[in-house]
Amino acid sequence: NAGVTQTPKFQVLKTGQSMTLQCAQDMNHEYMSWYRQDPGMGLRLIHYSVGAGITDQGEVPNGYNVSRSTTEDFPLRLLSAAPSQTSVYFCASSYSGLAGVYNEQFFGPGTRLTVL
Amino acid sequence: AQSVTQLGSHVSVSEGALVLLRCNYSSSVPPYLFWYVQYPNQGLQLLLKYTSAATLVKGINGFEAEFKKSETSFHLTKPSAHMSDAAEYFCAVSDPGAQKLVFGQGTRLTINP
Repeated sequence: NAGVTQTPKFQVLKTGQSMTLQCAQDMNHEYMSWYRQDPGMGLRLIHYSVGAGITDQGEVPNGYNVSRSTTEDFPLRLLSAAPSQTSVYFCASSYSGLAGVYNEQFFGPGTRLTVL
Repeated sequence: AQSVTQLGSHVSVSEGALVLLRCNYSSSVPPYLFWYVQYPNQGLQLLLKYTSAATLVKGINGFEAEFKKSETSFHLTKPSAHMSDAAEYFCAVSDPGAQKLVFGQGTRLTINP
């Protein structure tokens, strides 16, 4: 198992450019999510998905789009990058499981994005 | 709304000394609580979790945490620090059974030889 993989590891964009951060998992997890990590702010949830075709907004969704066409992939799209989106982005996945049962989330290695 | 506060953005201890990382939470329902560790340039790894069973939770690498409802705290401890414990530690909270996590600001732990 490769676990959760993210590409690219590093990316530099100019303001206004668009790009897609890729996330894939090979554990057949239903739940996938995207977080951004900023110094002194911990990780904040951007978007999440409880299964193919189902997505929802997290705490900081503005400026980001997602879709989930397969169980394995959950790409994050920046349509018009802004300097405020300079951050480290983490993808995570887990089983959804039964109500009242927490399933451990597995995190990818992250993508470090700089927007100039 | 849930929130997590980690007291101290940086903690420095000597090798062999006690490690204490503080976490306080705010939640309208009894929450699930977690500690994650992040080593440099890596993703997050689950250290331990509290999910309404025993209030003293043991995790990996000799860490443990105690859930204290009266103090709304979930502090992380390790009796004897090792150089390999140097990392950033995050406390997180979720509603029972929910997968969405709310993270604290993080505490960077430095171990002095």
